[in-house]
Amino acid sequence: AQSVSQHNHHVILSEAASLELGCNYSYGGTVNLFWYVQYPGQHLQLLLKYFSGDPLVKGIKGFEAEFIKSKFSFNLRKPSVQWSDTAEYFCAVKGASNYQLIWGAGTKLIIKP
Amino acid sequence: GAGVSQTPSNKVTEKGKYVELRCDPISGHTALYWYRQSLGQGPEFLIYFQGTGAADDSGLPNDRFFAVRPEGSVSTLKIQRTERGDSAVYLCASSLLLNTEAFFGQGTRLTVV
Repeated sequence: AQSVSQHNHHVILSEAASLELGCNYSYGGTVNLFWYVQYPGQHLQLLLKYFSGDPLVKGIKGFEAEFIKSKFSFNLRKPSVQWSDTAEYFCAVKGASNYQLIWGAGTKLIIKP
Repeated sequence: GAGVSQTPSNKVTEKGKYVELRCDPISGHTALYWYRQSLGQGPEFLIYFQGTGAADDSGLPNDRFFAVRPEGSVSTLKIQRTERGDSAVYLCASSLLLNTEAFFGQGTRLTVV
């Protein structure tokens, strides 16, 4: 079955710490991969996406993610987090010729000032 | 409008009642999606419109759920005989074309008591 697994439901870090949020997926065929962020009280926003090409993709606000096909992973990273990164982060996948996003359960990230 | 607008933002209804949730997509976006997000989970696909027609309604949980988009812009998600298990945040998203970035509204939080 198609699924997305996010390993941590809650992560607490101090400012300036490095961040890595795990995402693994189960999906047959060519995939498109996404990370969305939801800041408190706001709507879901696209952080970054991978469709093809360089497996290391850079997004907004200093975030990046690496697609490792052999591991079915698309982990999100940021070298130095800020208090304003406090939010919930969702990984999502869809087939390249599809439109239905399949979502992970989300990771709540809290940054201590 | 500037973004996807969903109304109401909150809806409390009694079990067995009928509700309508409205979505105003970004002007010019041909694709419109409805997702449902239950507490502690990622969004789940409900239905997708391309123009006026429902291209895929395979995610609707049962025949109490129905959605329309009569003029290819505003969409209404309709739920009959609501049940407590229908309580969730209902998200609407739109994209310019299939396979382009989807922009999300803030959602309607439905509570069935």
